[in-house]
Amino acid sequence: GDSVTQMEGPVTLSEEAFLTINCTYTATGYPSLFWYVQYPGEGLQLLLKATKADDKGSNKGFEATYRKETTSFHLEKGSVQVSDSAVYFCALSASGGTSYGKLTFGQGTILTVHP
Amino acid sequence: NAGVTQTPKFQVLKTGQSMTLQCAQDMNHEYMSWYRQDPGMGLRLIHYSVGAGITDQGEVPNGYNVSRSTTEDFPLRLLSAAPSQTSVYFCASSETPGTGLTGELFFGEGSRLTVL
Repeated sequence: GDSVTQMEGPVTLSEEAFLTINCTYTATGYPSLFWYVQYPGEGLQLLLKATKADDKGSNKGFEATYRKETTSFHLEKGSVQVSDSAVYFCALSASGGTSYGKLTFGQGTILTVHP
Repeated sequence: NAGVTQTPKFQVLKTGQSMTLQCAQDMNHEYMSWYRQDPGMGLRLIHYSVGAGITDQGEVPNGYNVSRSTTEDFPLRLLSAAPSQTSVYFCASSETPGTGLTGELFFGEGSRLTVL
């Protein structure tokens, strides 16, 4: 079945450091890929998405590129802020009508940014 | 801008008690789902619905029931709570299938359930 694997956390960085959170996936067909963010005490919010190979999703300074050849969707940000401290989830939505809207999530990566 | 609304936000139950987690959305989404979030395991799909009157099981359905009598509401019922159901529960909805959209989910704020 489909699966998503994220890098182990937690990740602790200083403000203005470069961030990479690795995400690889296993799926048949051409899934859509997502990064969701969960701030403390809140629900998940969509951070960015990509729907086909070589697409780059971006939002709030975060970027991720859909790499079908390496089945990866790594999240990056050039300069993190304290306000970026949150849990980040990589997820996929399998192609095909019966899979619509059913996301498969990675285990989440806790990011803490210190001033 | 209510989006997806879940109640209650916190609940403590004793083993064997029953309860219902409520979920409502005001975006006219056809697709709704329930996930549970456990440490180190991400989110796992419990049940989902592709429209009023239609429900189906997800990855971890045991111990939970759902119904979908209206487009707006999708309650999750625990018939006899067990400590293994201690978790944070998220309801989500998605735009209507077939419109070329990507399956993006919109989440509620979560319901934290503790079963003693």
